[in-house]
Amino acid sequence: DQQVKQNSPSLSVQEGRISILNCDYTNSMFDYFLWYKKYPAEGPTFLISISSIKDKNEDGRFTVFLNKSAKHLSLHIVPSQPGDSAVYFCASYPYNTDKLIFGTGTRLQVFP
Amino acid sequence: GAVVSQHPSWVICKSGTSVKIECRSLDFQATTMFWYRQFPKQSLMLMATSNEGSKATYEQGVEKDKFLINHASLTLSTLTVTSAHPEDSSFYICSARGPGQQKSYGYTFGSGTRLTVV
Repeated sequence: DQQVKQNSPSLSVQEGRISILNCDYTNSMFDYFLWYKKYPAEGPTFLISISSIKDKNEDGRFTVFLNKSAKHLSLHIVPSQPGDSAVYFCASYPYNTDKLIFGTGTRLQVFP
Repeated sequence: GAVVSQHPSWVICKSGTSVKIECRSLDFQATTMFWYRQFPKQSLMLMATSNEGSKATYEQGVEKDKFLINHASLTLSTLTVTSAHPEDSSFYICSARGPGQQKSYGYTFGSGTRLTVV
């Protein structure tokens, strides 16, 4: 089974600097990894994804990097803004399934 | 864009009673809906997958007789927590997928329901 782990429960970054959120996974068989942003008492919203055949995907201030040999991916947010303060989840579809499995989340706080 | 409405946003019920949570896709037909629960400061745990017109598929460890899922139409799925107990208190979130929706964009999530059982 695919397991997705986010080892840092929280991260604090100054406004304007780079935020780097990390995610590790166990099973190399996957279609996509996705990043979601979530505010308390709300559903998660999609940010950006990366397919298994790529090592980088960029969308505005958000860039996701995939290191398949290390089974690791990261989300870079630059420049960080106070509105980015939320919980970020990485998620994955186990290979050939429609189920979206979430990591444990990292709470990002961007301070002025 | 695709919108999923979840109702109610919060509910308080007495132990032993049943509670129904609705998940509606407002502007697309949801061939598949997913139900998650989230305990405080924890991950979103997938409970079950439901396809319109067929029985839901439950994840390991989820009691299907306790968490009744109905997906009777392409725009509505319901989760009924039967004989609720305080340990069922959690944040329940649904998500929906439409036909042809690309996996690279994920699924659309509802805003969640905070259930408190007293």
